[in-house]
Amino acid sequence: GAGVSQSPRYKVAKRGQDVALRCDPISGHVSLFWYQQALGQGPEFLTYFQNEAQLDKSGLPSDRFFAERPEGSVSTLKIQRTQQEDSAVYLCASSLSRLAGYNEQFFGPGTRLTVL
Amino acid sequence: KQEVTQIPAALSVPEGENLVLNCSFTDSAIYNLQWFRQDPGKGLTSLLLIQSSQREQTSGRLNASLDKSSGRSTLYIAASQPGDSATYLCAVLYNFNKFYFGSGTKLNVKP
Repeated sequence: GAGVSQSPRYKVAKRGQDVALRCDPISGHVSLFWYQQALGQGPEFLTYFQNEAQLDKSGLPSDRFFAERPEGSVSTLKIQRTQQEDSAVYLCASSLSRLAGYNEQFFGPGTRLTVL
Repeated sequence: KQEVTQIPAALSVPEGENLVLNCSFTDSAIYNLQWFRQDPGKGLTSLLLIQSSQREQTSGRLNASLDKSSGRSTLYIAASQPGDSATYLCAVLYNFNKFYFGSGTKLNVKP
Protein backbone atom coordinates (compact mmCIF):
# COMPACT_ATOMS: atom_id res chain seq x y z
CA GLY A 1 0.00 0.00 0.00
CA ALA A 2 0.93 3.63 -0.29
CA GLY A 3 1.12 4.30 3.41
CA VAL A 4 0.51 2.99 6.92
CA SER A 5 -3.08 1.96 7.50
CA GLN A 6 -4.91 1.33 10.75
CA SER A 7 -8.23 -0.24 11.55
CA PRO A 8 -10.71 0.41 12.85
CA ARG A 9 -10.52 4.19 12.63
CA TYR A 10 -12.96 4.55 15.51
CA LYS A 11 -13.78 2.14 18.31
CA VAL A 12 -16.26 2.54 21.13
CA ALA A 13 -15.98 0.01 23.92
CA LYS A 14 -17.77 -0.49 27.18
CA ARG A 15 -15.57 -0.52 30.24
CA GLY A 16 -14.25 -4.01 30.78
CA GLN A 17 -14.35 -5.07 27.15
CA ASP A 18 -11.30 -6.27 25.24
CA VAL A 19 -10.29 -4.46 22.05
CA ALA A 20 -7.83 -5.18 19.23
CA LEU A 21 -6.33 -2.48 17.05
CA ARG A 22 -4.63 -3.32 13.78
CA CYS A 23 -1.72 -1.69 11.99
CA ASP A 24 -0.56 -2.41 8.44
CA PRO A 25 2.86 -0.81 7.98
CA ILE A 26 4.45 0.13 4.70
CA SER A 27 5.63 -3.00 2.95
CA GLY A 28 9.26 -3.77 3.71
CA HIS A 29 9.51 -1.50 6.72
CA VAL A 30 11.51 -3.14 9.45
CA SER A 31 10.66 -0.93 12.41
CA LEU A 32 7.16 -0.51 13.81
CA PHE A 33 6.03 1.69 16.68
CA TRP A 34 2.85 2.14 18.66
CA TYR A 35 2.02 5.43 20.36
CA GLN A 36 -0.83 6.64 22.55
CA GLN A 37 -2.02 10.22 22.08
CA ALA A 38 -4.29 11.82 24.65
CA LEU A 39 -6.38 14.83 23.68
CA GLY A 40 -4.23 17.95 23.35
CA GLN A 41 -0.99 16.08 23.98
CA GLY A 42 1.81 14.72 21.88
CA PRO A 43 2.08 11.00 21.19
CA GLU A 44 3.63 8.86 23.92
CA PHE A 45 5.71 5.82 23.06
CA LEU A 46 4.17 2.46 23.86
CA THR A 47 6.25 -0.21 22.16
CA TYR A 48 8.69 -0.95 19.34
CA PHE A 49 9.19 -3.91 17.00
CA GLN A 50 12.09 -4.73 14.78
CA ASN A 51 10.60 -7.22 12.34
CA GLU A 52 8.77 -9.71 14.59
CA ALA A 53 10.84 -9.01 17.68
CA GLN A 54 9.38 -6.71 20.31
CA LEU A 55 12.54 -4.97 21.46
CA ASP A 56 11.02 -2.37 23.75
CA LYS A 57 7.70 -2.44 25.55
CA SER A 58 8.62 -0.06 28.31
CA GLY A 59 5.87 2.39 27.40
CA LEU A 60 2.95 0.00 27.81
CA PRO A 61 0.99 1.46 30.73
CA SER A 62 -0.12 -1.80 32.29
CA ASP A 63 -0.19 -5.54 31.78
CA ARG A 64 -3.61 -5.08 30.18
CA PHE A 65 -1.80 -3.85 27.07
CA PHE A 66 -0.28 -6.39 24.72
CA ALA A 67 1.20 -6.00 21.23
CA GLU A 68 2.35 -8.50 18.67
CA ARG A 69 3.78 -8.63 15.16
CA PRO A 70 4.08 -12.37 14.51
CA GLU A 71 5.24 -12.31 10.90
CA GLY A 72 7.11 -9.05 10.94
CA SER A 73 4.48 -7.11 9.02
CA VAL A 74 0.98 -6.52 10.43
CA SER A 75 0.83 -5.63 14.11
CA THR A 76 -1.99 -5.80 16.62
CA LEU A 77 -2.31 -3.84 19.84
CA LYS A 78 -4.66 -5.50 22.27
CA ILE A 79 -6.13 -3.90 25.36
CA GLN A 80 -7.83 -6.16 27.85
CA ARG A 81 -10.51 -5.07 30.32
CA THR A 82 -10.57 -1.52 28.97
CA GLN A 83 -10.78 1.39 31.38
CA GLN A 84 -11.92 4.96 30.77
CA GLU A 85 -8.35 6.20 31.03
CA ASP A 86 -7.51 4.09 27.97
CA SER A 87 -9.55 6.50 25.83
CA ALA A 88 -7.09 8.05 23.38
CA VAL A 89 -5.91 7.93 19.80
CA TYR A 90 -3.57 5.02 19.14
CA LEU A 91 -1.04 5.73 16.42
CA CYS A 92 1.12 3.29 14.54
CA ALA A 93 4.27 4.28 12.66
CA SER A 94 6.76 2.38 10.56
CA SER A 95 10.29 3.08 9.43
CA LEU A 96 12.41 1.46 6.76
CA SER A 97 15.55 0.89 8.77
CA ARG A 98 16.21 -1.13 11.88
CA LEU A 99 17.99 1.97 13.03
CA ALA A 100 14.83 3.84 13.83
CA GLY A 101 16.41 7.24 13.91
CA TYR A 102 18.15 6.93 10.58
CA ASN A 103 14.97 7.11 8.52
CA GLU A 104 11.85 9.11 9.07
CA GLN A 105 8.79 7.54 10.60
CA PHE A 106 5.59 7.26 8.60
CA PHE A 107 2.42 7.41 10.65
CA GLY A 108 -0.99 5.90 10.13
CA PRO A 109 -4.21 7.90 10.67
CA GLY A 110 -4.74 6.39 14.11
CA THR A 111 -7.55 4.60 15.88
CA ARG A 112 -9.65 6.72 18.20
CA LEU A 113 -10.71 4.57 21.15
CA THR A 114 -13.50 5.74 23.42
CA VAL A 115 -14.24 3.72 26.52
CA LEU A 116 -17.63 4.37 28.07
CA LYS B 1 11.63 10.73 31.64
CA GLN B 2 12.90 13.10 28.97
CA GLU B 3 11.02 16.36 28.64
CA VAL B 4 10.25 18.04 25.33
CA THR B 5 8.58 21.44 25.49
CA GLN B 6 7.01 23.42 22.68
CA ILE B 7 6.29 27.12 22.83
CA PRO B 8 3.87 28.66 22.08
CA ALA B 9 1.03 26.21 22.58
CA ALA B 10 -1.05 28.10 20.04
CA LEU B 11 -0.34 30.78 17.48
CA SER B 12 -2.59 32.78 15.17
CA VAL B 13 -1.05 34.87 12.38
CA PRO B 14 -2.25 36.60 9.22
CA GLU B 15 -1.40 35.05 5.90
CA GLY B 16 2.02 35.96 4.55
CA GLU B 17 3.80 36.29 7.88
CA ASN B 18 7.03 34.54 8.66
CA LEU B 19 6.91 32.65 11.94
CA VAL B 20 9.04 30.60 14.30
CA LEU B 21 8.01 27.62 16.39
CA ASN B 22 10.17 26.54 19.29
CA CYS B 23 11.09 23.17 20.75
CA SER B 24 13.32 22.58 23.77
CA PHE B 25 14.59 19.35 25.29
CA THR B 26 16.22 18.58 28.61
CA ASP B 27 18.99 16.19 27.57
CA SER B 28 21.38 17.17 24.79
CA ALA B 29 22.45 13.57 24.08
CA ILE B 30 20.02 13.16 21.22
CA TYR B 31 20.32 11.05 18.08
CA ASN B 32 18.05 13.22 15.97
CA LEU B 33 15.07 15.55 16.03
CA GLN B 34 12.06 15.39 13.75
CA TRP B 35 9.34 17.94 13.05
CA PHE B 36 5.85 16.72 12.21
CA ARG B 37 2.59 18.23 11.14
CA GLN B 38 -0.73 16.85 12.37
CA ASP B 39 -4.05 17.75 10.81
CA PRO B 40 -7.27 17.17 12.78
CA GLY B 41 -8.31 13.52 12.77
CA LYS B 42 -5.22 12.47 10.89
CA GLY B 43 -1.86 10.96 11.61
CA LEU B 44 1.45 12.75 11.63
CA THR B 45 3.27 13.85 8.51
CA SER B 46 7.04 14.16 8.70
CA LEU B 47 8.32 17.58 7.68
CA LEU B 48 12.02 17.61 8.46
CA LEU B 49 14.51 15.25 10.10
CA ILE B 50 17.74 16.66 11.56
CA GLN B 51 20.48 14.24 12.57
CA SER B 52 22.47 15.10 15.69
CA SER B 53 25.50 16.01 13.57
CA GLN B 54 23.52 18.54 11.52
CA ARG B 55 22.68 22.14 12.32
CA GLU B 56 19.72 22.66 10.00
CA GLN B 57 17.50 21.23 7.31
CA THR B 58 15.41 22.99 4.69
CA SER B 59 12.42 21.94 2.64
CA GLY B 60 10.61 24.55 0.58
CA ARG B 61 9.32 27.27 2.89
CA LEU B 62 10.38 25.34 5.99
CA ASN B 63 13.71 25.54 7.76
CA ALA B 64 14.54 23.70 10.95
CA SER B 65 17.59 24.37 13.07
CA LEU B 66 19.14 22.35 15.86
CA ASP B 67 21.36 23.52 18.71
CA LYS B 68 22.15 20.47 20.80
CA SER B 69 24.25 22.30 23.37
CA SER B 70 21.39 24.58 24.33
CA GLY B 71 18.72 21.92 23.90
CA ARG B 72 16.74 23.86 21.32
CA SER B 73 15.28 23.52 17.86
CA THR B 74 13.28 26.01 15.84
CA LEU B 75 10.99 25.54 12.89
CA TYR B 76 10.84 28.58 10.64
CA ILE B 77 7.91 28.90 8.24
CA ALA B 78 8.26 31.55 5.57
CA ALA B 79 5.35 33.34 3.94
CA SER B 80 2.69 31.40 5.84
CA GLN B 81 -0.46 30.25 4.05
CA PRO B 82 -3.88 29.16 5.34
CA GLY B 83 -2.99 25.62 4.28
CA ASP B 84 -0.22 25.66 6.88
CA SER B 85 -2.83 25.65 9.64
CA ALA B 86 -2.25 22.49 11.69
CA THR B 87 -0.57 21.32 14.87
CA TYR B 88 3.21 21.11 14.66
CA LEU B 89 5.01 18.56 16.81
CA CYS B 90 8.68 18.02 17.46
CA ALA B 91 10.05 14.63 18.47
CA VAL B 92 13.46 13.83 19.89
CA LEU B 93 15.21 10.47 19.61
CA TYR B 94 17.31 9.58 22.64
CA ASN B 95 18.19 5.98 21.95
CA PHE B 96 17.88 3.77 18.96
CA ASN B 97 14.12 3.54 19.00
CA LYS B 98 12.38 5.74 21.57
CA PHE B 99 11.02 9.10 20.51
CA TYR B 100 9.77 11.74 22.90
CA PHE B 101 7.22 14.23 21.60
CA GLY B 102 6.30 17.71 22.67
CA SER B 103 2.66 18.68 23.12
CA GLY B 104 2.67 20.67 19.91
CA THR B 105 1.99 24.19 18.67
CA LYS B 106 -1.43 24.72 17.14
CA LEU B 107 -1.03 27.14 14.23
CA ASN B 108 -3.85 29.09 12.64
CA VAL B 109 -3.05 31.14 9.54
CA LYS B 110 -5.84 33.59 8.77
CA PRO B 111 -6.62 34.47 5.15
